[in-house]
Amino acid sequence: EDQVTQSPEALRLQEGESSSLNCSYTVSGLRGLFWYRQDPGKGPEFLFTLYSAGEEKEKERLKATLTKKESFLHITAPKPEDSATYLCAVLQGGADGLTFGKGTHLIIQP
Amino acid sequence: NAGVMQNPRHLVRRRGQEARLRCSPMKGHSHVYWYRQLPEEGLKFMVYLQKENIIDESGMPKERFSAEFPKEGPSILRIQQVVRGDSAAYFCASSPLRAPTGNTIYFGEGSWLTVV
Repeated sequence: EDQVTQSPEALRLQEGESSSLNCSYTVSGLRGLFWYRQDPGKGPEFLFTLYSAGEEKEKERLKATLTKKESFLHITAPKPEDSATYLCAVLQGGADGLTFGKGTHLIIQP
Repeated sequence: NAGVMQNPRHLVRRRGQEARLRCSPMKGHSHVYWYRQLPEEGLKFMVYLQKENIIDESGMPKERFSAEFPKEGPSILRIQQVVRGDSAAYFCASSPLRAPTGNTIYFGEGSWLTVV
């Protein structure tokens, strides 16, 4: 059973067209929810960590939010350089390793 | 991201050979994690190490895989008698403290293993 599910699997947007990526999770004792960006042939690049429901964090055109069941990554007025795979991961109670979703492949067309 | 150094970046091995992947954590980080990313799959946790200790190896395959993080030098992920199914990207990550405790986990650029 998947513990971290990301949707959509792929998303194609026009430059400037805002949207949101979803990450739903079913874990007990959430210790942290992480968002990463991954470019082809590269390692995941850290974006945000969220710890509790209601928490929000922003960085440039990205804003991450967290509820008790899911997290959203909002992308405002995206640019082509925002094209990447966005990964969500959770750290649950008693675990040392992150549990990752399969990612959302985002393409921003000029 | 660039602070966690992995080598080699690309490695080709024939079936039955051994593969050794190295990881130097970011400066000041003493916690190292290894993850594997198989084609079309998400990243999977393999093992968590501190200097000279394996803390959690719950994600490691039971056979052929081992990891170490010696007092001096990089962490090493060793795969013996490689098979084609071992072909994947292997990522190392490090953190200054046992996550998350107000810090986060930074990943290296990965080592791409191809078994032919």
